Amino acid sequence: NAGVTQTPKFRILKIGQSMTLQCAQDMNHNYMYWYRQDPGMGLKLIYYSVGAGITDKGEVPNGYNVSRSTTEDFPLRLELAAPSQTSVYFCASRGGYGYTFGSGTRLTVV
Amino acid sequence: TQLLEQSPQFLSIQEGENLTVYCNSSSVFSSLQWYRQEPGEGPVLLVTVVTGGEVKKLKRLTFQFGDARKDSSLHITAAQTGDTGLYLCADQSDYKLSFGAGTTVTVRA
Repeated sequence: NAGVTQTPKFRILKIGQSMTLQCAQDMNHNYMYWYRQDPGMGLKLIYYSVGAGITDKGEVPNGYNVSRSTTEDFPLRLELAAPSQTSVYFCASRGGYGYTFGSGTRLTVV
Repeated sequence: TQLLEQSPQFLSIQEGENLTVYCNSSSVFSSLQWYRQEPGEGPVLLVTVVTGGEVKKLKRLTFQFGDARKDSSLHITAAQTGDTGLYLCADQSDYKLSFGAGTTVTVRA
């Protein structure tokens, strides 16, 4: 099925470890986004990309990095995991007015 | 910085009852979107409204956009257990979405 695919679905990290959250879309959308969702806080924008090779910071970028080498893929990198990064992470892509979200990655940092 | 406030934060009703949730902005919306999010899933777009005073219907869901484009409501008629979820409003501006904190709706059988 066409859409946004995120991996892994769940992950537990120890403080100071690093990991990459994967995101892929097959709709040929130029715009892609990473959000985090904390209880009672809505979704906050971490980074976004308007096309391959172009990325920019969102509202809460500290502690994260992104790259966009292809239209399809938009990975999110955590270099030194901290407990404050415990959250649910959603990747999204945009076509026209419509945004399509992945099913999320639940990350716990202990 | 735009602030989106959604109310109430939680809502629990019996199947068959009606409900309304609200979204208010500290500034004019560029374009307003409503999403529903089920547990363990990402948000799913319900509707986009752009014009002040606009009313859109999606089966039992009615979306209203205020004349001044600073507020919106979502009304569900004869709620069903399948309507349970987190309802989020978002402003789309500069190709990005800014979300409210959401209203958690529980429809009891």
